[in-house]
Amino acid sequence: GAVVSQHPSWVICKSGTSVKIECRSLDFQATTMFWYRQFPKQSLMLMATSNEGSKATYEQGVEKDKFLINHASLTLSTLTVTSAHPEDSSFYICSATPQSTEAFFGQGTRLTVV
Amino acid sequence: SQQGEEDPQALSIQEGENATMNCSYKTSINNLQWYRQNSGRGLVHLILIRSNEREKHSGRLRVTLDTSKKSSSLLITASRAADTASYFCATSGSRLTFGEGTQLTVNP
Repeated sequence: GAVVSQHPSWVICKSGTSVKIECRSLDFQATTMFWYRQFPKQSLMLMATSNEGSKATYEQGVEKDKFLINHASLTLSTLTVTSAHPEDSSFYICSATPQSTEAFFGQGTRLTVV
Repeated sequence: SQQGEEDPQALSIQEGENATMNCSYKTSINNLQWYRQNSGRGLVHLILIRSNEREKHSGRLRVTLDTSKKSSSLLITASRAADTASYFCATSGSRLTFGEGTQLTVNP
C-alpha cells in the first residue's frame, strides 16, 4: 500500500521553542494532507487540512498562528508548533489519501515540551 | 466533534475468542473504515466498507454496515495476543472523522 512517512518520531523541546514536523507521501502525490492530534487514551482529533499551494483549513478551536502548516509540494506537508508549551505535548499524526482510497497514516510524532 | 462512537470502550478477552466492536455515527457517509493503533504508534488501515455494501471480510476480520441504523461492527475471529490494540472506526464524507476507539486486550 501507499506509504506516508512522518519525521521525527519523537521530539523533546523546551518551552517557548518551535518544533517542525514533516509528513511525506513517498509513492504518491497528495494535494491534501491531514494533521491530527491525539492525547493519551483518546481518539484522533483533526486539527487542520493541509492544501498544496494554498492555505491550510483549520478546525474550530485550533490556533492557526500557533500551528503553522506549509504544503509547498505534492509530497510534503509540515506542521510547526510555535512557541511550544507543556500543554502542547501530544501525539501528532498526519495522513494522506491517494486517489480517494483509504487514508494512510504517518508513524506519528510524540512531542514533549518541558 | 467526533462523528463515530465505538462500543465498548474497552474489551478484554482470552486468546481464541472472538471480539466484536461496534461503531455508531451520525451523518451520511461515503464509506466507513476501521483502523488499528498499537500504543504510541500510527494507525494501520484494516478494512473499508462502502455505503452500498452490507458486509465485508478480510482474513479474520468481518465488518458489517447498517446505514439505516448508522452503525457498523468489526468482528475479529480467533483472536490472538497480537491483536491487542485500540480500534477506531472512521467515517468518510469530505474527510475522515474518528470515533473514540475500543481498547482490545487479548490475554494469552
